[in-house]
Amino acid sequence: GAVVSQHPSRVICKSGTSVKIECRSLDFQATTMFWYRQFPKQSLMLMATSNEGSKATYEQGVEKDKFLINHASLTLSTLTVTSAHPEDSSFYICSATVTIWRRDKWNTEAFFGQGTRLTVV
Amino acid sequence: EDQVTQSPEALRLQEGESSSLNCSYTVSGLRGLFWYRQDPGKGPEFLFTLYSAGEEKEKERLKATLTKKESFLHITAPKPEDSATYLCAVQARSGGSYIPTFGRGTSLIVHP
Repeated sequence: GAVVSQHPSRVICKSGTSVKIECRSLDFQATTMFWYRQFPKQSLMLMATSNEGSKATYEQGVEKDKFLINHASLTLSTLTVTSAHPEDSSFYICSATVTIWRRDKWNTEAFFGQGTRLTVV
Repeated sequence: EDQVTQSPEALRLQEGESSSLNCSYTVSGLRGLFWYRQDPGKGPEFLFTLYSAGEEKEKERLKATLTKKESFLHITAPKPEDSATYLCAVQARSGGSYIPTFGRGTSLIVHP
């Protein structure tokens, strides 16, 4: 299947600093990527939809000035957590969808990065 | 509002004991239902996409089915390595975009 690479896998930062997380599609072009946040034993919460060449679409309750998303190319989207605080500590995951022709129809599959464990101290 | 409900929240099985996980959904304009497997500390791993009622897909010991209101993930003769959290997601169309909504997952533990 398609590969989505997310970096870093773990990061610890001091309160008040900013952290950038990268999400790359390695073997396909992704015009749309999604950013999720996941708390322990909880499901994935969609934060925003990242669109190549345009502004991201944020879900209700997600601060766009705090979680900056840049989708500068068809293979790279970045999420920057600005002025991080301990409550921002979480598991952040990106994903991209691929639509392919298989068995005489279009099939959409979504692939996820490995996730980034952010700890703000 | 689109909703996805997975049950049970947690499931413990003995090795070889077959069972099913449920994913109930209410969504307008369903474009696909996804099943994923997630191991602790890792991103979800894609398993299946289902598009229409009556569709079935299989992969090794897993079989996914879809009706108009729910999907089942059947696990036949599970092994300890099948232990993971299984997530269900539906993708609906919102405006011009396809927005995925996830359930909370079912945590499966298979004892040897």
